[in-house]
Amino acid sequence: TAGITQAPTSQILAAGRSMTLRCTQDMRHNAMYWYRQDLGLGLRLIHYSNTAGTTGKGEVPDGYSVSRANTDDFPLTLASAVPSQTSVYFCASSEIAANTDTQYFGPGTRLTVL
Amino acid sequence: GQNIDQPTEMTATEGAIVQINCTYQTSGFNGLFWYQQHAGEAPTFLSYNVLDGLEEKGRFSSFLSRSKGYSYLLLKELQMKDSASYLCAVRDGNYQLIWGAGTKLIIKP
Repeated sequence: TAGITQAPTSQILAAGRSMTLRCTQDMRHNAMYWYRQDLGLGLRLIHYSNTAGTTGKGEVPDGYSVSRANTDDFPLTLASAVPSQTSVYFCASSEIAANTDTQYFGPGTRLTVL
Repeated sequence: GQNIDQPTEMTATEGAIVQINCTYQTSGFNGLFWYQQHAGEAPTFLSYNVLDGLEEKGRFSSFLSRSKGYSYLLLKELQMKDSASYLCAVRDGNYQLIWGAGTKLIIKP
């Protein structure tokens, strides 16, 4: 199985432009997550969704929005990009359970905002 | 606040053993994860501990002491392919994952 796919692999974006990062999983996991990873910092949660139709804010949600219309897709939108949003973005999914909830990651999108 | 501490970088020799430590301070505890991340790639799951003690999985073992807020990842018989960053993450009382910044492990021949 493909697991989790993300698109695009990388992108250079002019400041002020909008962009949607795509994420699709084929594992039928109920929960999905968006993280950003910056040098010297741990993964930081942007937004999450515990089930289709619901979303929640993570640690660094400002400037980003998400939607979860169905189980498989969880797009992340930057409405008006700023240079501080230059980062590597990872999408992840998990099956929420009492004692596991291991997260599985997509390959990432490297975004540069100029 | 919540905090995960790991060494920034470690160096070890091929064939040797290395221990990567992780200490944490979180609001509640519902498990600790170790992930491996090769440069330019996604993190991949290595191990999960929720009870005190040692979990062994091939060349990799992970230990947890909840009373000390401490875990370590032990890698034996190091291979060049083990050169990667190792991420410690703790699931807090709200079932949110808190991530450490990762330990970059450099393996020398």
